[in-house]
Amino acid sequence: TQLLEQSPQFLSIQEGENLTVYCNSSSVFSSLQWYRQEPGEGPVLLVTVVTGGEVKKLKRLTFQFGDARKDSSLHITAAQPGDTGLYLCAGGGGADGLTFGKGTHLIIQP
Amino acid sequence: GAGVSQSPSNKVTEKGKDVELRCDPISGHTALYWYRQSLGQGLEFLIYFQGNSAPDKSGLPSDRFSAERTGGSVSTLTIQRTQQEDSAVYLCASSPGRRDTQYFGPGTRLTVL
Repeated sequence: TQLLEQSPQFLSIQEGENLTVYCNSSSVFSSLQWYRQEPGEGPVLLVTVVTGGEVKKLKRLTFQFGDARKDSSLHITAAQPGDTGLYLCAGGGGADGLTFGKGTHLIIQP
Repeated sequence: GAGVSQSPSNKVTEKGKDVELRCDPISGHTALYWYRQSLGQGLEFLIYFQGNSAPDKSGLPSDRFSAERTGGSVSTLTIQRTQQEDSAVYLCASSPGRRDTQYFGPGTRLTVL
């Protein structure tokens, strides 16, 4: 069974600060995905990283896939209250479904 | 266009009762997934449907859980003789094909008293 460990589990910071959340595994994944989930809603896909060492940017969010394809990170620059939410990494898919980490609960305080 | 819809949005039931949860996938999506999200376990995969094919039921938590998909579209997840540990948010997702991006519905929050 492939497991994904996310850290930190909870993070509360002030608006304007930078932060990084991590997603680690002992297994190699062909790709990893990052989702954001808000209360009462389902997860929404932010990005998929496929190539080892790949870096993708989405406005103030930077996603990196480790060279060995076992880990990934999400860095947010100048966090805003609208970034508040549950951030989930996931791998796998297809007939076996996605394997999710337990998520990072992020709160950005004004 | 319409996204994945799920009903009911909330369900409160008594221990031992049966419940049915419904998922309407995005039109044209052949793949459909059920997941369960609980505080302790996070998001866990339950079952996958590809079109009208029979699903692999090995991911279902117990034999009290069953799922079907009619006409390759709407799916229902049934939990018989509900237990308190079944309390969770049940999420449905669909995708155009097996390896494509999954689009999630808002979920059904199930509370078993």
